[in-house]
Amino acid sequence: QVQLVQSGAEVRKPGSSVKVSCKASGGTFSNYAINWVRQAPGQGLEWMGGVIPVFGTTHYAQKFQDRLTITTDGSTRTTYMGLSSLSSEDTAVYYCAVATVARDYFDCWGQGTLVTVSS
Amino acid sequence: EIVLTQSPATLSLSPGERATLSCRASQSVSSYLAWYQQKPGQAPRLLIYDASSRATGIPARFTGSGSGTDFTLTISSLEPEDFAVYYCQQRSSWPPKLTFGGGTKVEIK
Repeated sequence: QVQLVQSGAEVRKPGSSVKVSCKASGGTFSNYAINWVRQAPGQGLEWMGGVIPVFGTTHYAQKFQDRLTITTDGSTRTTYMGLSSLSSEDTAVYYCAVATVARDYFDCWGQGTLVTVSS
Repeated sequence: EIVLTQSPATLSLSPGERATLSCRASQSVSSYLAWYQQKPGQAPRLLIYDASSRATGIPARFTGSGSGTDFTLTISSLEPEDFAVYYCQQRSSWPPKLTFGGGTKVEIK
């Protein structure tokens, strides 16, 4: 069973960037697409994008196309989500998630990382 | 982008009652729809995928149905632990352009 552990909370100023990590244990790392989903305070879930480690391919939601970068390090089984040009609207809990049962249905989630953007 | 509209926004019910949640897609997603449960301070939990398949460990009181644009999640008899927010999600396209519905909160009446 895959387990995902994310890095800790971050505080950033508007216009800056943030990088959140997600370390996987158990399972076969390269077999699963690692996706990122965020949730603003009191709001719903929003898919941002994902990466398939075995192919090295990434897919991003159009909304984040210009400022989102998702990378993986197979040697450490860690995936990174980088978001640039931050604004207060990016304040949210960011989750990494994996689909092990069927493509793009997320049955395994990290604990979430709160990113606060404030001047 | 496929928009998922969930209704109602809030459902006020008592334990033991039946809950019926709706998710409508702006265009057909075939059967490529999932349901998640989320409790405060927790990550979402996958309940149903491919419209009607229960995920591992999900009790039989959770049933998903529908295809095309109209989907339903039914909780046959609410347990105290079922009071939470429920989201639908579609995965109908490739490359992926996943979207979630806005959520339905099931609260204790």
